[in-house]
Amino acid sequence: QVQLVQSGSELKKPGASVKVSCKASGYTFTDYAVNWVRQAPGQGLEWMGWINTDTGNPTYAQGFTGRFVFSLDTSVSTTYLQISSLRSEDTAVYFCARGSLAPSYGAFDIWGQGTMVPVSS
Amino acid sequence: QSVLTQPPSASGTPGQRVTISCSGSNSNIASNTVNWYQQLPGTAPKLLIYNNNQRPSGVPDRFSGSKSGTSASLAISGLQSEDEADYYCTTWDDSLNGWVFGGGTKLTVL
Repeated sequence: QVQLVQSGSELKKPGASVKVSCKASGYTFTDYAVNWVRQAPGQGLEWMGWINTDTGNPTYAQGFTGRFVFSLDTSVSTTYLQISSLRSEDTAVYFCARGSLAPSYGAFDIWGQGTMVPVSS
Repeated sequence: QSVLTQPPSASGTPGQRVTISCSGSNSNIASNTVNWYQQLPGTAPKLLIYNNNQRPSGVPDRFSGSKSGTSASLAISGLQSEDEADYYCTTWDDSLNGWVFGGGTKLTVL
């Protein structure tokens, strides 16, 4: 079936880096974009940006430039979110979600299960 | 501070009809379609309504969406206990050139 499966939770110390993976299956990987959404504890959803799986071009939302990097490996239908110089305020659940390659259209119809990244010394 | 404004909470008794509002502006709701997501406790969000009023396969017709001008609404009729969840509206914002979410509404079934 169509699904996105994310890597498991990772406890990190401030200043470290983390790389979260999101593996797609059940559909043609390059036909859809992958979006990243952050949810801090007890808070709402925040769009981080998206990656065009056809061109590999990433786009970052305001507030998610510099320390955040989206990448992909089409050979294994997987996208990645890397966060460097982690801070306590990066503690959140990170979701990947399938969307349209025309970014302002469509909806996020398939979501990964989420990856919890606690940042604590 | 979310770009889209939703009431933080809503409630109803089983069988009732509940509506959740989502207020935006000319650069977002007025210019683009609205989607709604349901997030049950401890789970990933699920697409509930897309393109203002369309339901994905498998979503009961108790859920409906509408949009007018700079506002949108989600209505849930025949409220059930399993509808207790957080609900988020979202749309594209032409000024920000990105997706924006409402702050979410926690629905309690009394």
